[in-house]
Amino acid sequence: EVQLVESGGGLVQPGGSLRLSCAAAGFAFSDYDMHWVRQVPGKGLEWVSSIGTIGDTYYPGSVKGRFTISRENAKNSLFLQMNSLRAGDTAVYYCARENYGASGYFDLWGRGTQVTVSS
Amino acid sequence: EIVLTQSPGTLSLSPGEGATLSCRASQSISANDLAWYHQKPGQAPRLLLFGASVRATGVPHRFSGSGSGADFTLTIRRLEPEDFGLYYCQHYGDSPAWTFGQGTKVEIK
Repeated sequence: EVQLVESGGGLVQPGGSLRLSCAAAGFAFSDYDMHWVRQVPGKGLEWVSSIGTIGDTYYPGSVKGRFTISRENAKNSLFLQMNSLRAGDTAVYYCARENYGASGYFDLWGRGTQVTVSS
Repeated sequence: EIVLTQSPGTLSLSPGEGATLSCRASQSISANDLAWYHQKPGQAPRLLLFGASVRATGVPHRFSGSGSGADFTLTIRRLEPEDFGLYYCQHYGDSPAWTFGQGTKVEIK
């Protein structure tokens, strides 16, 4: 089955760190650009990071310098290392696949993992 | 940075009615770079349309998209119970960057 499954979320104190993982299955993971997208409860969607097939990475200003996206193609896995976490980072974090050929839209999403930053 | 503004914020409709959702960009964008998603409560978003008007695999024909320049529309003919929820437009731009509109909620009247 083609799917993405996130893990690693939880409760962390402000200033703390957390590492999210996303396990991909059912498709040629190494051929796709991959992303993390988050959603604050009751709010909209925010793109958080992306990594291309050649390992190029991109971030919005809100997380640049604090978050690091990486991938391990041999294990069909995507990661997000989150440091210096803030209350505003509290959200459900989704792993998402960009359509083949980097067309700019996300054609496969995981179910998400909850990250709560609170003391 | 492109900002996407969706309207209305909420649509209250009955099953069988039609829905028209708007997505306006802060500047002209390519229709090729505009997508729409549907999200049901407690679920991940699901791709509906890409290239502004191309239905994703498995998306019913009652969903259609149109638009150009800075104004885009998602139209749903004859709402089914499973169509209620949140709808987001999304743009892929230079930098690169991916931005979403703030969403339109389609609720049962």
